[in-house]
Amino acid sequence: DTEVTQTPKHLVMGMTNKKSLKCEQHMGHRAMYWYKQKAKKPPELMFVYSYEKLSINESVPSRFSPECPNSSLLNLHLHALQPEDSALYLCASSHLGQGVAEAFFGQGTRLTVV
Amino acid sequence: KQEVTQIPAALSVPEGENLVLNCSFTDSAIYNLQWFRQDPGKGLTSLLLIQSSQREQTSGRLNASLDKSSGRSTLYIAASQPGDSATYLCAVRKINDMRFGAGTRLTVKP
Repeated sequence: DTEVTQTPKHLVMGMTNKKSLKCEQHMGHRAMYWYKQKAKKPPELMFVYSYEKLSINESVPSRFSPECPNSSLLNLHLHALQPEDSALYLCASSHLGQGVAEAFFGQGTRLTVV
Repeated sequence: KQEVTQIPAALSVPEGENLVLNCSFTDSAIYNLQWFRQDPGKGLTSLLLIQSSQREQTSGRLNASLDKSSGRSTLYIAASQPGDSATYLCAVRKINDMRFGAGTRLTVKP
């Protein structure tokens, strides 16, 4: 099983709402990633968790709050977003820091902020 | 900070042609390089992974090479088909930091 599952697939939220994106994998991977992708642009790294601890935060605004409650789950809590935050949010996972570590991506959550 | 560049940005070819996509990166101290395919509005599908100690990897009609010292990788697609139409992205990884190029948008015409 090489599947990374993201829910929901689509999300529309107002600027005052609070919502969460969820990502799940059962491959035993101990590195999990959040990326943001705008249309016709490459994925941009937001956060990396290693062994359930935040190891990389690419200076993302505090209205995005990641959480890794266990080794299989990754959440991204959203609050007071702006329309420019509308994008495809991608989750990925891999084994930790080794040359053989292949990364697997979910299908993404298409977020629209109105 | 790692910079990843892909050339060309877009490519349109007739069905059956062999083609080469290019990826270059500025920091050669990488763990691996991975090629992905992305269909419009979808997630990324892993195509090939090349470890830093390897020179090439093959999967079906795809062959990827890596020259780490010069900071270059190529993805060779043989006998292209309309179903190959997608955006192809390369990503280089150091520890758990994985950075992407802007991609090559490939169109294969029947």
